Amino acid sequence: GENVEQHPSTLSVQEGDSAVIKCTYSDSASNYFPWYKQELGKRPQLIIDIRSNVGEKKDQRIAVTLNKTAKHFSLHITETQPEDSAVYFCAAGTGNTPLVFGKGTRLSVIA
Amino acid sequence: GAVVSQHPSWVICKSGTSVKIECRSLDFQATTMFWYRQFPKQSLMLMATSNEGSKATYEQGVEKDKFLINHASLTLSTLTVTSAHPEDSSFYICSARDIARSTEAFFGQGTRLTVV
Repeated sequence: GENVEQHPSTLSVQEGDSAVIKCTYSDSASNYFPWYKQELGKRPQLIIDIRSNVGEKKDQRIAVTLNKTAKHFSLHITETQPEDSAVYFCAAGTGNTPLVFGKGTRLSVIA
Repeated sequence: GAVVSQHPSWVICKSGTSVKIECRSLDFQATTMFWYRQFPKQSLMLMATSNEGSKATYEQGVEKDKFLINHASLTLSTLTVTSAHPEDSSFYICSARDIARSTEAFFGQGTRLTVV
């Protein structure tokens, strides 16, 4: 089955700096890679996703890149703000299989 | 986006009792729902995949007789934690996919279960 590795587990950045979180996956059949943001005690919220036919996707300060050959994908947050502080999870899967999540990255943006 | 409603949001029960958690897709039909468990400061771990009208598929290490899953309709799946013990205390979250969209997963609010 699919296995997703996520790094780093914790990340602290100064406000205004960029943050990068990286994930690798094992199943070459996976074709959907979402990123979720989870605040304490709340449900995960989808912030951006990418499908395997696309190499990069951007939405304002958030971007995701995908390298299918190397089986890794990354989340980039630019101009970080204190409200970006949360736990971020990457996931991988297909339309017919459940998502497998990485272990999460706790991002702290220091004002 | 699509709405998934999960109830209750929190529950405290005595050891040995059973607790039922409901997960509803409010504005779409979900042939498949997924149940996850999340321990403090850990990731979401898939417990089981719930298919409408058929038996759930459990992940390795998850006791199917302890975590009863029923998916009787295209909009409702339930998870019953039977004979709960303190080690079952956790955050349980359901997820559903809109079959029309096929990939994006929507999460319920989660249920924080505390067994005392």
